[in-house]
Amino acid sequence: GAGVSQSPSNKVTEKGKDVELRCDPISGHTALYWYRQSLGQGLEFLIYFQGNSAPDKSGLPSDRFSAERTGGSVSTLTIQRTQQEDSAVYLCASSSGGAYNEQFFGPGTRLTVL
Amino acid sequence: AQSVTQPDIHITVSEGASLELRCNYSYGATPYLFWYVQSPGQGLQLLLKYFSGDTLVQGIKGFEAEFKRSQSSFNLRKPSVHWSDAAEYFCAVGPSSGSARQLTFGSGTQLTVLP
Repeated sequence: GAGVSQSPSNKVTEKGKDVELRCDPISGHTALYWYRQSLGQGLEFLIYFQGNSAPDKSGLPSDRFSAERTGGSVSTLTIQRTQQEDSAVYLCASSSGGAYNEQFFGPGTRLTVL
Repeated sequence: AQSVTQPDIHITVSEGASLELRCNYSYGATPYLFWYVQSPGQGLQLLLKYFSGDTLVQGIKGFEAEFKRSQSSFNLRKPSVHWSDAAEYFCAVGPSSGSARQLTFGSGTQLTVLP
């Protein structure tokens, strides 16, 4: 597809379980971002990958959150021992990594922790 | 640290009326500025962006925004709103330099359009 895709679109899990969220960026985009959108809130930055550079993890809220990007393309966001406050929509975006940094967003994964 | 303020949480307008959504930012230098729209259950779609040059920028769906450096504002406007414009609108600021590339978003303005 031409856009950013994310899977699953919805995920319901029990408190304490681990979850993995997937993002497929636009082909050729070197930069990839994860954001979190909680109910009634704006978007909160989580992590940023740019090419082969070390990721910017400054937005990760706790050590239960981690992300990797394999082969410079697909990314997986992992949340360990999920808590109810982790319930949110997780959005992935990609960009060409150029100076203007126009980010293209996927449809998001809605995570519900019971 | 950069920040974005959207003072209006919710705005209601009648179809055909004009619209202005407010956005104020705090940033140490000239930022890159964006407006995104999010329809229910959808991801964010870019409406328009400002990088440099002409301070009045045109976007998709008939939207425009004006960058006013003296007021640190980047308000979104549309002369005549359509029912399909009902959605949530987010203003965002991004760095024009440096290694940190993430966008900082406002908390959004929910737009309701009355028939």
